[in-house]
Amino acid sequence: GQQLNQSPQSMFIQEGEDVSMNCTSSSIFNTWLWYKQDPGEGPVLLIALYKAGELTSNGRLTAQFGITRKDSFLNISASIPSDVGIYFCAGLIQGAQKLVFGQGTRLTINP
Amino acid sequence: EPEVTQTPSHQVTQMGQEVILRCVPISNHLYFYWYRQILGQKVEFLVSFYNNEISEKSEIFDDQFSVERPDGSNFTLKIRSTKLEDSAMYFCASSEDFPGGSGANVLTFGAGSRLTVL
Repeated sequence: GQQLNQSPQSMFIQEGEDVSMNCTSSSIFNTWLWYKQDPGEGPVLLIALYKAGELTSNGRLTAQFGITRKDSFLNISASIPSDVGIYFCAGLIQGAQKLVFGQGTRLTINP
Repeated sequence: EPEVTQTPSHQVTQMGQEVILRCVPISNHLYFYWYRQILGQKVEFLVSFYNNEISEKSEIFDDQFSVERPDGSNFTLKIRSTKLEDSAMYFCASSEDFPGGSGANVLTFGAGSRLTVL
């Protein structure tokens, strides 16, 4: 089945630093999504990407849909304490209804 | 902002017992889903539901699982005879249209129901 490899698994950074994480796959996806999950909560959508090469920003967050449609990255600039959480990439294959999730990147910020 | 609500937030049950998890999707959404997340692992797809029938399901969604939309607002997941390995967070989600392609088709997730099987 389709799998998404997300890296890094965890990050420990200082407040104010920029963050970068990515997802890769051997499968082609038609939609890439980035979610954030806080403890005890469900995933909350951050950014949705629908076209290969698309670069989309949401405040301090920027994500790109890779040209090959097999990868995506998420950048967070000037991190703040509330950015702490687990970030998941998720992909959708053409014609399918199920989201395939990456393993998550746990972000910890030292004030 | 419209949200997906789930009950209970936490349920503890004995192995072999039946469990029903409930969800109220966003009111104008037509597609409904259940996902699960075993502690510390990634979120996994279980089933999607449209027009009162299952439209897609994963290998995890075996005969012990069933879904139902008993009325116009609720969407339930039933596990007939729970096993220890069913312990997980179960997330309900809904979307306005078929997933992918535009913003209206993005899934909105509920806060989850934590199931603990002893």
